[in-house]
Amino acid sequence: AQSVTQLDSQVPVFEEAPVELRCNYSSSVSVYLFWYVQYPNQGLQLLLKYLSGSTLVKGINGFEAEFNKSQTSFHLRKPSVHISDTAEYFCAVSDSWNTGNQFYFGTGTSLTVIP
Amino acid sequence: GAVVSQHPSRVICKSGTSVKIECRSLDFQATTMFWYRQFPKQSLMLMATSNEGSKATYEQGVEKDKFLINHASLTLSTLTVTSAHPEDSSFYICSARGVTGANYGYTFGSGTRLTVV
Repeated sequence: AQSVTQLDSQVPVFEEAPVELRCNYSSSVSVYLFWYVQYPNQGLQLLLKYLSGSTLVKGINGFEAEFNKSQTSFHLRKPSVHISDTAEYFCAVSDSWNTGNQFYFGTGTSLTVIP
Repeated sequence: GAVVSQHPSRVICKSGTSVKIECRSLDFQATTMFWYRQFPKQSLMLMATSNEGSKATYEQGVEKDKFLINHASLTLSTLTVTSAHPEDSSFYICSARGVTGANYGYTFGSGTRLTVV
């Protein structure tokens, strides 16, 4: 079975400061890892994904994440946040990319950027 | 890029009535679609997986007779909440899986906020 843990339910940060949103996963097989952002009353938008290759993944809106297999982590980072980054962020894992298996989502981290 | 349209975005209905939510893949064919439910300040919970032309697979604890899923074509899946009750009020999100080229991967709809009064 797979699971995803997002250690911080809420992260307040001042505008233009760096931020890291933590994500750890448990899986006994190869994993595919994702970060999604959700704005109020909207669906999920893919920020970035790790499927294979380089462990440092760059996504949209200046976000990046690093896959660390030994620590089973996939933390999301941004060097300088904007007010518009205030949203809910979900980490997700799947053990299969092309067989229609479901995603397992973390409980989410609410990022609030303070002016 | 891959786009999934979900309609309606918001619906209010009376207790005991049925509500249909549509999920369409606009620019790719989705052999598999997923329906999720999200309660306030919680994560997404998978309700069911639907494959075009076959019966949906429901997660444990999800009433298949209450949440009817139809995936009649490669671009459309519908979720019907039958005899809705206030406890069914939630945010419902669909996702579709593309399998070729630039559409490879999972794309989520914009969600439907259902309020049962």
